[in-house]
Amino acid sequence: IAGITQAPTSQILAAGRRMTLRCTQDMRHNAMYWYRQDLGLGLRLIHYSNTAGTTGKGEVPDGYSVSRANTDDFPLTLASAVPSQTSVYFCASSNMESSYNEQFFGPGTRLTVL
Amino acid sequence: GQNIDQPTEMTATEGAIVQINCTYQTSGFNGLFWYQQHAGEAPTFLSYNVLDGLEEKGRFSSFLSRSKGYSYLLLKELQMKDSASYLCAVGDSNYQLIWGAGTKLIIKP
Repeated sequence: IAGITQAPTSQILAAGRRMTLRCTQDMRHNAMYWYRQDLGLGLRLIHYSNTAGTTGKGEVPDGYSVSRANTDDFPLTLASAVPSQTSVYFCASSNMESSYNEQFFGPGTRLTVL
Repeated sequence: GQNIDQPTEMTATEGAIVQINCTYQTSGFNGLFWYQQHAGEAPTFLSYNVLDGLEEKGRFSSFLSRSKGYSYLLLKELQMKDSASYLCAVGDSNYQLIWGAGTKLIIKP
């Protein structure tokens, strides 16, 4: 693989169910991020991780959890999905030592909670 | 509070020039980014400004004025494939990106 992959591509989920969105990068970037994108709103940061073993809360963390057991993987879990979590979810990564700290994005997961 | 403002939608003609403006108020400043996002796809990096002035990259240029909290993205010789949303984002004091809602650019033949 090259870059960032996300799975699944899309998912329809019943409210109350648990769901994990997967994200894997092969660029050896130290930082990883989870965003949600809703119509008319900018990308909103859910959680981030500046290095393996550490995580932090973003702007909209409630209802979501993350883990960063290694450099490559950064799964996002919805413990009990609610309809307001219907959104497109993007995972991103960056090299914080680079001059730009430019973020690279995965293809996204379109999640619908009914 | 932190705020990024950019127009919701703009329309331009193929072959013409368009300027997309972005104004920002953030806690700290660690660079301003422009990303392009085609419908149904992921954002992709276009440009980065950290010092005042103009950065040129082919048909695309980006300008920054830190004192005014202002940037613009200039697209020249517009092509139909430039139809996309353009996202302005600012690095805050924690090096997290604060994103604008994006400007949808419609190119007409």
